[in-house]
Amino acid sequence: KQEVTQIPAALSVPEGENLVLNCSFTDSAIYNLQWFRQDPGKGLTSLLLIQSSQREQTSGRLNASLDKSSGRSTLYIAASQPGDSATYLCAVRRMEGAQKLVFGQGTRLTINP
Amino acid sequence: GAGVSQTPSNKVTEKGKYVELRCDPISGHTALYWYRQSLGQGPEFLIYFQGTGAADDSGLPNDRFFAVRPEGSVSTLKIQRTERGDSAVYLCASSRDRDIPTGELFFGEGSRLTVL
Repeated sequence: KQEVTQIPAALSVPEGENLVLNCSFTDSAIYNLQWFRQDPGKGLTSLLLIQSSQREQTSGRLNASLDKSSGRSTLYIAASQPGDSATYLCAVRRMEGAQKLVFGQGTRLTINP
Repeated sequence: GAGVSQTPSNKVTEKGKYVELRCDPISGHTALYWYRQSLGQGPEFLIYFQGTGAADDSGLPNDRFFAVRPEGSVSTLKIQRTERGDSAVYLCASSRDRDIPTGELFFGEGSRLTVL
């Protein structure tokens, strides 16, 4: 059974810092991995999708990397801003055609002005 | 529509009542998913539709839960004889995937259900 873990559960940093959020999964045989952002009381916003054949994806100040063999993905946020404060979730799709995404519990990020 | 739309945004009901939650996916998206998110947890899969049919309902917790998508667009999640443990945010997502689920999911803002 695939399990996804995100550590730490919460992170608080000063504005302007570069930071890394971690996601690990127990079964390395994944098809793709997706990072989401969730603001309080809101739905999920897709940030980046990495296919299993890719090593990383970039969008603006965000960079997500994937190391399938070690069962890890990281989300790097450059020059953090207070507006980046949210919960960040990662989710894996086990294989092509797998119906469900398996989510981690999320990392609650607070950027202090 | 521009995004996935869910109604109601909030629903408070009493134990034992019946509730319906509605999802209107992004126009043209044939794949539709329901997830449930409890406080402090990641979303958990409930059911997946490809078109009008439920291709995978393995995540539905018990037979009190049922979902339909009669015309392949709007979906309704139905919960009978609600229990306090059903309290959660119910999230709907859609994807442009046709036959094989592979791609990016787009989520709505969720329906927060509170069972008193």
